[in-house]
Amino acid sequence: DAGVTQSPTHLIKTRGQQVTLRCSPKSGHDTVSWYQQALGQGPQFIFQYYEEEERQRGNFPDRFSGHQFPNYSSELNVNALLLGDSALYLCASSLARSEAFFGQGTRLTVV
Amino acid sequence: AQSVAQPEDQVNVAEGNPLTVKCTYSVSGNPYLFWYVQYPNRGLQFLLKYITGDNLVKGSYGFEAEFNKSQTSFHLKKPSALVSDSALYFCAVRDRGNNAGNMLTFGGGTRLMVKP
Repeated sequence: DAGVTQSPTHLIKTRGQQVTLRCSPKSGHDTVSWYQQALGQGPQFIFQYYEEEERQRGNFPDRFSGHQFPNYSSELNVNALLLGDSALYLCASSLARSEAFFGQGTRLTVV
Repeated sequence: AQSVAQPEDQVNVAEGNPLTVKCTYSVSGNPYLFWYVQYPNRGLQFLLKYITGDNLVKGSYGFEAEFNKSQTSFHLKKPSALVSDSALYFCAVRDRGNNAGNMLTFGGGTRLMVKP
């Protein structure tokens, strides 16, 4: 049983560019959440998707957007990248309100 | 608003000794509480959770945690530490209200160093 898978594992982008990160949830899970983990800090909640709709959002600007597909996979899009967007982006999946299982993360570096 | 505090940036313990990693929380309603572990360049691995019932929760790899409602704490413990337990540990809280969603609020993390 594959767990949560994220792609790519590493990414380098230039300021002002746009990036798309992808996540496939654990088999049987229907809810996907995204977190940003800056170096030396705990993960910060970005948003959560369920039934292809954004259900809850953290304190992140509109430059951060997402999508959930019918197969429950999800994308995180970040526009107009800033240096401060450099972080580990974690995807977590769960079934309804069960505990969340996390992927390995995508390390985004903005230069 | 909910919050989590992990007062120790780092905990050092000798192999074979008991360990405790501290966590206190603040949430408007009754909480769901979680512990996750993160190894270098990896995602978070679920260790254990408190939902309801017994205040002592047992989890993976011999870890356990004690929920104390009056002190709003959820400390992680292990009777005998292993060198392989060295990692970054995160405490997280989620409001159990029906409209609270699945948002986890994490503490800043505690680095556990177990020395041989």
